[in-house]
Amino acid sequence: DAMVIQNPRYQVTQFGKPVTLSCSQTLNHNVMYWYQQKSSQAPKLLFHYYDKDFNNEADTPDNFQSRRPNTSFCFLDIRSPGLGDAAMYLCATSRERQFYEQYFGPGTRLTVT
Amino acid sequence: DQQVKQNSPSLSVQEGRISILNCDYTNSMFDYFLWYKKYPAEGPTFLISISSIKDKNEDGRFTVFLNKSAKHLSLHIVPSQPGDSAVYFCAASDRDQFYFGTGTSLTVIP
Repeated sequence: DAMVIQNPRYQVTQFGKPVTLSCSQTLNHNVMYWYQQKSSQAPKLLFHYYDKDFNNEADTPDNFQSRRPNTSFCFLDIRSPGLGDAAMYLCATSRERQFYEQYFGPGTRLTVT
Repeated sequence: DQQVKQNSPSLSVQEGRISILNCDYTNSMFDYFLWYKKYPAEGPTFLISISSIKDKNEDGRFTVFLNKSAKHLSLHIVPSQPGDSAVYFCAASDRDQFYFGTGTSLTVIP
């Protein structure tokens, strides 16, 4: 089945220790997104890639970076995690850029100690 | 500034009855609206959508209604089933951005 896969599902990191979350997709979609979702809040878009074109949301902290080495993979790097970065991180894909149906992975729950 | 609002954090409905989940938005430029369903420990799953040129879209037990003048959309589930118990997010797009509501947790009581 075509899908969006996120690894790991649970990640624990220490305050200030860099961490990388990964996402892969078998849907061959052009667009990949990273969202941050905190408890009882709406998912918040951090950035997205349209093919290799990177689009950063204006209020995404510089602490968050992303890489997309190929169509299938996208990484979220948190350079110096703070306690406030503990959240669920969702990866999503869509066929085209018009922000229509997005397909989500199961998410990675990040804990910062 | 929350452009998409789901004012009911939770809803309980008896099995077989209708579930109505509501969503309000503020941006008149939104032209596409979606509902997602999320089970615990899973990512949101696309459920149903509606374009701003329509006022109703139906897919099996799920119907989405759009009232543009009121900037309001709703999701109707008829009949409700225990497997429908999940968090439902509405989302809106203006082709440039994608906005989610905070979700409504639906519990269908057997």
